[in-house]
Amino acid sequence: AQTVTQSQPEMSVQEAETVTLSCTYDTSENNYYLFWYKQPPSRQMILVIRQEAYKQQNATENRFSVNFQKAAKSFSLKISDSQLGDTAMYFCAFMKQRGYGGSQGNLIFGKGTKLSVKP
Amino acid sequence: KAGVTQTPRYLIKTRGQQVTLSCSPISGHRSVSWYQQTPGQGLQFLFEYFSETQRNKGNFPGRFSGRQFSNSRSEMNVSTLELGDSALYLCASSPTSDGNEQFFGPGTRLTVL
Repeated sequence: AQTVTQSQPEMSVQEAETVTLSCTYDTSENNYYLFWYKQPPSRQMILVIRQEAYKQQNATENRFSVNFQKAAKSFSLKISDSQLGDTAMYFCAFMKQRGYGGSQGNLIFGKGTKLSVKP
Repeated sequence: KAGVTQTPRYLIKTRGQQVTLSCSPISGHRSVSWYQQTPGQGLQFLFEYFSETQRNKGNFPGRFSGRQFSNSRSEMNVSTLELGDSALYLCASSPTSDGNEQFFGPGTRLTVL
């Protein structure tokens, strides 16, 4: 079974600074996807970034980038130039790539990291 | 495009009752998944539907069921409610057939008294 671990329950960062959130996962699969989701206090879960395991290049979305280390099963999120609106719970998630038979496709989430951006 | 919508947003029920939650996916999305979010267990997968067929089911008792209609709207039903069913229920839709990019709705907050 796959598991996702986020070892930092809470973090804080000053506005405009950079912060890195950690995520490790355990799987015997070779084909999968990794995600970071953001859940602000309003509760709407938002997809921040997605990484396909077969791609060596790290995904980037504006101020958000990941450091994907497949061999180490590590998938950290870096937020540059932190803004007050980045305050939220951040969830790392894993999804096994759907194979023949369509038996997978669900997200497996970590417990989350609560990020506070301070002015 | 409108996002994923869920109704109702808040619900209060008593033990033993049953409840039905509704989810309308983003237009054009045929894959719909449901998740339960609680402080103790975190986010847990309930089930996934694609083209009116349940493709995948999480480890929840049979009291939890769902369905998907021809217009891709989905409902989930919980019968014989227990206190532990109090949670935020999230629906997500995906534009891809394998569901590898899921967009979430605002959730339905269910409180069981």
